[in-house]
Amino acid sequence: SYVLTQPPSLSVAPGRTASITCGGNKIGSENVHWYQQKPGQAPVLVVYYNNDRPSGIPERFSGSNSGNTATLTISRVEVGDEADYFCQVWDSRGAHVVFGGGTKLTVL
Amino acid sequence: EVQLVETGGGLIRPGGSLRLSCAASGFTVSSNYMAWVRQAPGKGLEWVSVIYSGGGSYDAGSVKGRFSISRDISKNTVYLQMNSLRAEDTARYYCARALGQLLFDSWGQGILVTVSS
Repeated sequence: SYVLTQPPSLSVAPGRTASITCGGNKIGSENVHWYQQKPGQAPVLVVYYNNDRPSGIPERFSGSNSGNTATLTISRVEVGDEADYFCQVWDSRGAHVVFGGGTKLTVL
Repeated sequence: EVQLVETGGGLIRPGGSLRLSCAASGFTVSSNYMAWVRQAPGKGLEWVSVIYSGGGSYDAGSVKGRFSISRDISKNTVYLQMNSLRAEDTARYYCARALGQLLFDSWGQGILVTVSS
């Protein structure tokens, strides 16, 4: 089955840029979606179809996807961005949803 | 406003059965894809099941043959029937609305299911 690989953790200082990667075989040919989950809360969709943002999500959140890596980029990171981030694709060949293992973003 | 409210969780012994409900408001479940996603304590997200607007469904391999997703259009509610429960099914179960390409744009707050003797 299709596997998505994320780094377990990432630390970044406030005001800097955070780049969270999601690796998968030829993931560039898939549509990747990203979710933010804060402690004790349900996940929230922050980027879909690689680089679209739902209404209400700041422009600081953006995505890219090419080759074997998709990336969620958070510009001008704020303390409130501290959360777990998950990437996700629909594996049409296996007819199932695949999530990455998640990346815990710490804002120092 | 889209809202999803899960009920039916709790403590259940291994081998037992439980049915989760997800009451939707602000949209109709019959016109959308609906899914269940779970999260074991301290772990990541795991997709469980999806039911399409046409009524067809798919299940993850880990629950195939034990779990079944369904819906009641008159109640605008989606269900997850869970049979032969195992300790590894212990998780918070989220109901979610899924759009094309199975992206989840709305989530409930989740309901905890604990499988333990």
